[in-house]
Amino acid sequence: DGGITQSPKYLFRKEGQNVTLSCEQNLNHDAMYWYRQDPGQGLRLIYYSQIVNDFQKGDIAEGYSVSREKKESFPLTVTSAQKNPTAFYLCASSPRQGTNEQFFGPGTRLTVL
Amino acid sequence: QQQVKQSPQSLIVQKGGIPIINCAYENTAFDYFPWYQQFPGKGPALLIAIRPDVSEKKEGRFTISFNKSAKQFSLHIMDSQPGDSATYFCAASEGYQKVTFGTGTKLQVIP
Repeated sequence: DGGITQSPKYLFRKEGQNVTLSCEQNLNHDAMYWYRQDPGQGLRLIYYSQIVNDFQKGDIAEGYSVSREKKESFPLTVTSAQKNPTAFYLCASSPRQGTNEQFFGPGTRLTVL
Repeated sequence: QQQVKQSPQSLIVQKGGIPIINCAYENTAFDYFPWYQQFPGKGPALLIAIRPDVSEKKEGRFTISFNKSAKQFSLHIMDSQPGDSATYFCAASEGYQKVTFGTGTKLQVIP
């Protein structure tokens, strides 16, 4: 089955710890994205990558870091510098051909205690 | 310039009603206008999308109306069902640039 997987579905961390969220896709898509979702604020772009070994900051990149060493993988690290990390994190990919449809993963809910 | 403004924030309708969700944009270079549907605890999924060269697109019970001169587009759900209860996001993008999302509308369809 083709799609996007995110793991884990729920993640708990203590304040001050870095945590890495996994995102893998087998759709052969060039572009990948990370969004943060908070109630009433829609989807806010954290980082995106349009090609391997290249990525750009989105609207709320402070306190986050990413890497894109493989086409299939785009992990997101939430660092201790992120002041309010508790949120629902969504990974997405798009093919950069045809329409600009975003294919979303199931999300990871991060709770920092 | 990059914002997409969405209203209302929440909406409650009776089964069989026609909820309407509206979005407005500023960037005239946007050329792709999708709507995404999200159920609680899940990722959003594409519902329907339109290009600015058409004024209306219908897929099943879902219709997008597009007004290029007013820079507005809206989603209509005909004969709404309780299973349509979800959060709906409008969005816009230019070419293969990053997508700008609206803030979402939480729809509840009452049996």
